Amino acid sequence: NAGVTQTPKFRILKIGQSMTLQCTQDMNHNYMYWYRQDPGMGLKLIYYSVGAGITDKGEVPNGYNVSRSTTEDFPLRLELAAPSQTSVYFCASNSLQLARRGYTFGSGTRLTVV
Amino acid sequence: KQEVTQIPAALSVPEGENLVLNCSFTDSAIYNLQWFRQDPGKGLTSLLLIQSSQREQTSGRLNASLDKSSGRSTLYIAASQPGDSATYLCAGGSNDYKLSFGAGTTVTVRA
Repeated sequence: NAGVTQTPKFRILKIGQSMTLQCTQDMNHNYMYWYRQDPGMGLKLIYYSVGAGITDKGEVPNGYNVSRSTTEDFPLRLELAAPSQTSVYFCASNSLQLARRGYTFGSGTRLTVV
Repeated sequence: KQEVTQIPAALSVPEGENLVLNCSFTDSAIYNLQWFRQDPGKGLTSLLLIQSSQREQTSGRLNASLDKSSGRSTLYIAASQPGDSATYLCAGGSNDYKLSFGAGTTVTVRA
């Protein structure tokens, strides 16, 4: 059982470039999330999804887009990368039925925009 | 909006001492409270989850309490070991299954 898998682990982008951060979970969780973590700060919610075909904005959605075509995958798209998007990105999942067990997080993607 | 605060930001203790980590939150209508561990350059590992109807949870040397009336949660780690050195994050869950995180407490256990 792999849990939540994120790729890539590291990436350097130039200003204005685009990229997609991949997130896959194999636990059949209906809820999925994208968070970013800046140094010395707590994680902030970017986007979340309550099921395939349903997404919604979190606290810091500007500059990002998501899609949820399947239960397993929840990619995060960065368009026109900016230095302010330099951060560590975490994908997480949870289940309505298993909410008492808490959240499962991926190992993160460290992104630098130069 | 739930605001979560963790004080202190860093803590250093000698091996064997008990650790007490504090977390405060602003919205008493919290759905659950979760404690995570994060090692440098790594993801988050869930330690304990306390539902709003519970007062505490225990796992081995770890014990977490929840007091909704005062807006506080405390994580106790008994008989600390150098391997307990990490950043500990608490997060308050809302009834729409979103988490609000504190900035974390970085713990160093000196051998």
